[in-house]
Amino acid sequence: GAGVSQSPSNKVTEKGKDVELRCDPISGHTALYWYRQRLGQGLEFLIYFQGNSAPDKSGLPSDRFSAERTGESVSTLTIQRTQQEDSAVYLCASSGIGGSGEQYFGPGTRLTVT
Amino acid sequence: SQQGEEDPQALSIQEGENATMNCSYKTSINNLQWYRQNSGRGLVHLILIRSNEREKHSGRLRVTLDTSKKSSSLLITASRAADTASYFCATDSSQRYQLIWGAGTKLIIKP
Repeated sequence: GAGVSQSPSNKVTEKGKDVELRCDPISGHTALYWYRQRLGQGLEFLIYFQGNSAPDKSGLPSDRFSAERTGESVSTLTIQRTQQEDSAVYLCASSGIGGSGEQYFGPGTRLTVT
Repeated sequence: SQQGEEDPQALSIQEGENATMNCSYKTSINNLQWYRQNSGRGLVHLILIRSNEREKHSGRLRVTLDTSKKSSSLLITASRAADTASYFCATDSSQRYQLIWGAGTKLIIKP
């Protein structure tokens, strides 16, 4: 596709339920990032995938959070047993070079936990 | 801990005026980037300036970098209503693939 896409765009879930967020990166981009953005704040790094290397999961806030990526394609971020503090916009970005260069962002998934 | 911190937190100016936002960071960097975020287009990359560069231009945008002061500024000239957005600086970190983000400057352009 032309850009990074994410689905769903909005998700409302009850506390305790699991949610799965999806990211389709730009075709050919080897690096993929997940971020969390709380209202009025900057981006909080969650996880980084680079090609077939082991992902850097150092930003995941708890073991309720996990992410997968198959090769250089789609990634899913799963949050188990959601809590109200998980409410945020989850942004996915991809990059062609995997370094600290320009990142291309998707529109995000707004997650609301009630 | 937060690497980039933008200043001011919020800025409201008249259309046609210039807007200046600042970013300070704490550790040495390879490059610094500025991004814009609005409801219409999400988060979009504006400009990247490398540590060996002092100034860079892109259209109505001018970015400066002072590595001795660990600071950068973003100047938007002849502002337009469409420039209304939040502006973030992002710097690389010791893990070179990871960007560290500030909390952003919210810019409002009044018609």
